[in-house]
Amino acid sequence: QSALTQPPSASGSPGQSVTISCTGTSSDIGGYGFVSWYQQHPGKAPKLIIFEVTKRPSGVPDRFSGSRSGNTASLTVSGLHIEDEADYYCSSYAGSDGYVFGSGTKVTVL
Amino acid sequence: QVQLVQSGAEVKKPGASVKLSCKATGDTFTTYYWHWVRQAPGQGLEWLGIIIPDTGATNPAQRLQGRVTLSRDSSASTLYMELSSLRSEDAAVYYCAREPPHSGSFDYWSQGTLVTVSS
Repeated sequence: QSALTQPPSASGSPGQSVTISCTGTSSDIGGYGFVSWYQQHPGKAPKLIIFEVTKRPSGVPDRFSGSRSGNTASLTVSGLHIEDEADYYCSSYAGSDGYVFGSGTKVTVL
Repeated sequence: QVQLVQSGAEVKKPGASVKLSCKATGDTFTTYYWHWVRQAPGQGLEWLGIIIPDTGATNPAQRLQGRVTLSRDSSASTLYMELSSLRSEDAAVYYCAREPPHSGSFDYWSQGTLVTVSS
């Protein structure tokens, strides 16, 4: 099972929006409604910010939103904050292959 | 307050085995599914496998099948992952993570355990 494809980097100024794509196949993203996104700061464990494509866990700011079209999922951070600078990973259920993560995107807040 | 607490860092020689533990507190252990994920230095996340405590059913990642054993002690709310025939590329931070059943997501993560493989 190959990793989902994410852009290596993305950036924006505070207050701007940034969108990260996550491309898979019909065997993962396109086949199931179980896409999630994780934020990871250096030296820390990942933190769940989006699950089931569009849902936010309690406590996650509503500036984080998720969507999906076909085999590609996207995470949008609207109104960037300094503390949003981190690595972001998508993940998808992949049936009998279990789960697959994206390659990761480093978001820089300029 | 849910907490996942792992055993300490390990240093192993190539060809050896390592067994990591992860103790869950703060919620009903058998209600959830449990996963192992690793992250090599400077690299991305890699899913390693799932264990369902109620049944003991496991599904290791295909590329690790034959080398990884997932187990649990439900009475102690503890997960175990044993990885054998260690190679240099197994050096990573290993995490355990909790999945609310059928959610397809990992809502709580452990602090991570560093495994170093070196002769």
